[in-house]
Amino acid sequence: QKEVEQDPGPLSVPEGAIVSLNCTYSNSAFQYFMWYRQYSRKGPELLMYTYSSGNKEDGRFTAQVDKSSKYISLFIRDSQPSDSATYLCAMRSHGGATNKLIFGTGTLLAVQP
Amino acid sequence: EAGVTQFPSHSVIEKGQTVTLRCDPISGHDNLYWYRRVMGKEIKFLLHFVKESKQDESGMPNNRFLAERTGGTYSTLKVQPAELEDSGVYFCASSQGDYNEQFFGPGTRLTVL
Repeated sequence: QKEVEQDPGPLSVPEGAIVSLNCTYSNSAFQYFMWYRQYSRKGPELLMYTYSSGNKEDGRFTAQVDKSSKYISLFIRDSQPSDSATYLCAMRSHGGATNKLIFGTGTLLAVQP
Repeated sequence: EAGVTQFPSHSVIEKGQTVTLRCDPISGHDNLYWYRRVMGKEIKFLLHFVKESKQDESGMPNNRFLAERTGGTYSTLKVQPAELEDSGVYFCASSQGDYNEQFFGPGTRLTVL
């Protein structure tokens, strides 16, 4: 079983739609939760970063973490064609010898104008 | 400020050959990471340097892979001899502190024929 599960999509929505992206995980030691955005032929770029449970909002983006359910979400409001990319969830535990990231497979999002 | 750079952007080699990938982290970043994405799978951690020391190499697949970071600046990842299953995109990331944001390079796409 993978430590992090993410629906690969693809997900196609019309411009202006609300997008919901999700990941589940199995390792209860994960404390830091991230969403990366990756455009084609580019490296992942950090979009949102959350520690432990709760919500975090940044403009049109909202990240939610529910540690009791081991479930994280990213919401994109008023989606734009420029949001078309692969969205990767990533997690890591706190402390220890390394802060390696554990990634989901990524969800490919297409926002149609 | 320049981001993480990787060279080459794309490499095509035959099975049994040797390939060396290079990563230049952001200036001043002591932490350097290598990750790999095999087609259809998630991005997976390979190893983590702190300056010139290997902090965690638990993700290295086998002894055909050798990573170095002489002088604590740029890093190289050598694959010798390359096998078909080594094909994928190799990402390098760097961070200033142990738990700071990891900035990713654009990746090197390796194709082994």
